[in-house]
Amino acid sequence: QQQVKQSPQSLIVQKGGISIINCAYENTAFDYFPWYQQFPGKGPALLIAIRPDVSEKKEGRFTISFNKSAKQFSLHIMDSQPGDSATYFCAASKGGNTGKLIFGQGTTLQVKP
Amino acid sequence: NAGVMQNPRHLVRRRGQEARLRCSPMKGHSHVYWYRQLPEEGLKFMVYLQKENIIDESGMPKERFSAEFPKEGPSILRIQQVVRGDSAAYFCASSPEPLNEKLFFGSGTQLSVL
Repeated sequence: QQQVKQSPQSLIVQKGGISIINCAYENTAFDYFPWYQQFPGKGPALLIAIRPDVSEKKEGRFTISFNKSAKQFSLHIMDSQPGDSATYFCAASKGGNTGKLIFGQGTTLQVKP
Repeated sequence: NAGVMQNPRHLVRRRGQEARLRCSPMKGHSHVYWYRQLPEEGLKFMVYLQKENIIDESGMPKERFSAEFPKEGPSILRIQQVVRGDSAAYFCASSPEPLNEKLFFGSGTQLSVL
């Protein structure tokens, strides 16, 4: 019940295309859902996050869609660029501690020029 | 403003030796989290510390692993009598307080056990 399941494991997208990564969770106590971006040799960096009281949040080319009833959330990267090539992790936390995160398994995104 | 600093970046130990991983949080951050990342897997929470206190160690293995965050100096993750299964990337993250969504990760320490 503490798991966050992420798919796909890897994704190849053409430059300018839309990248979509999905996550599902079981624990309805989760109340914070961030996405992190990680480049090789670096630590994860917060990309965008959402709370369950909204269904969508957009920041630039990045959008989180949240479906509370289905217990799913997804990351959409519009106009994908080669510089977006990285590993993306969804995560979840509960009880107000946004530092204690349950991470998904990660998605390796490759954007081809 | 320097980010979260972890050292060493790479650490090689032989089985049975001790590993000490250091983490200096961002300036003004008094909350530190340690995570472990095994190859091809997501990060797994290990421990959450404030200055001089362990708040949540629910993700720490019961034996050989310990963590501290003293009043002065960096946070230390200590692994005694390392085994090959301890080989992983260890990440430290810091925040000004637990409700703050601004969690910053360091670049990690890659531990290799021979």
